[in-house]
Amino acid sequence: RKEVEQDPGPFNVPEGATVAFNCTYSNSASQSFFWYRQDCRKEPKLLMSVYSSGNEDGRFTAQLNRASQYISLLIRDSKLSDSATYLCVVANQAGTALIFGKGTTLSVSS
Amino acid sequence: GAGVSQSPSNKVTEKGKDVELRCDPISGHTALYWYRQRLGQGLEFLIYFQGNSAPDKSGLPSDRFSAERTGESVSTLTIQRTQQEDSAVYLCASSRITPGQGGVGAFFGQGTRLTVV
Repeated sequence: RKEVEQDPGPFNVPEGATVAFNCTYSNSASQSFFWYRQDCRKEPKLLMSVYSSGNEDGRFTAQLNRASQYISLLIRDSKLSDSATYLCVVANQAGTALIFGKGTTLSVSS
Repeated sequence: GAGVSQSPSNKVTEKGKDVELRCDPISGHTALYWYRQRLGQGLEFLIYFQGNSAPDKSGLPSDRFSAERTGESVSTLTIQRTQQEDSAVYLCASSRITPGQGGVGAFFGQGTRLTVV
């Protein structure tokens, strides 16, 4: 099983749509989880950390299910500017390096 | 500047030559990471530094790759005898503390695009 797995997509949605991305991870001892976004030919940028109780930042909501080793990201009221690749990230077992999923591509159209 | 700085931004080198890539982390960030991203692929972990602790080198793909960092300052990634498969964007990131200690993410530089011809 890969350390961090994501559905690669692409997800093609109209403006205003709600879209959800899922991610599973293999290391049950992981303690830290994040979502990053990466625009084409740019560096990844931290979108939000993911906490056990779930957390929200504007139109973005992240959820963590430790029992199922599953992380999700919900984007409401999608904007054209949300078009990017969304990367699920988990700290490795030693709690040192960040392990990246291969990303889910989102395309929002008008 | 306030962000992670990498140099050079682009590097074209001939197969067999050595290259050195530089990363200046955000001031005060104790953790520093190097990643590699081949075209159309995900991020591949290479090496991790935390303060003066021994680095986690588990991601280095071969003994042609090495990296150094002195304390909490600049890091250099060296690739010896470059091969065409080394062509990729090499990304450096830094964070305040170890990611396993409290949900603190890392911030990336813009990367060095290495092309081996």
